Amino acid sequence: GNSVTQMEGPVTLSEEAFLTINCTYTATGYPSLFWYVQYPGEGLQLLLKATKADDKGSNKGFEATYRKETTSFHLEKGSVQVSDSAVYFCALKRGFQKLVFGTGTRLLVSP
Amino acid sequence: DAGVIQSPRHEVTEMGQEVTLRCKPISGHDYLFWYRQTMMRGLELLIYFNNNVPIDDSGMPEDRFSAKMPNASFSTLKIQPSEPRDSAVYFCASSLGTENNSPLHFGNGTRLTVT
Repeated sequence: GNSVTQMEGPVTLSEEAFLTINCTYTATGYPSLFWYVQYPGEGLQLLLKATKADDKGSNKGFEATYRKETTSFHLEKGSVQVSDSAVYFCALKRGFQKLVFGTGTRLLVSP
Repeated sequence: DAGVIQSPRHEVTEMGQEVTLRCKPISGHDYLFWYRQTMMRGLELLIYFNNNVPIDDSGMPEDRFSAKMPNASFSTLKIQPSEPRDSAVYFCASSLGTENNSPLHFGNGTRLTVT
């Protein structure tokens, strides 16, 4: 079946550091890939998405590239801020099937 | 747009009591999802509706859980009787369609504590 694997957290960084959160997936066919972010006390919200191979999703300085050859969708940001502290979920969806979430990676950014 | 609205934000109840969680999806969205989030099990899909009809309830943990969607703008998740292991954050989400690239819009959740 379809599945998503994320790196375990927490990821602890200093402000302005470079961020990478790894995500790999298993799916048949050509799923769409998503990153959702959950800030404390809130629900998940869509951060970025990519719908086909080699697409790059980007938003708020975050980027992720859909790599079919490595079945990956790693999240990156060049310079994190304290306000980026949150839990990040990688997810995939194929056609009319249900959205499949990873387990989430907590990011803690200190001043 | 007000987004997905859930109520209450927090619910504390005693074991054995009935609990009802409420959700108002985004107007015009035709899919509604109920999720449960815990530290141990992460995010779990409980049930989802399309045009007010339950499509997949395979994630509902037990008969104590039930969900309804009487109209396009309202859904409830009921637990009767509640147990301490039901303590979690319950999220409602809605989407327009369910094609590959239609994202989910989540509410801010209801934090349920059963003592």
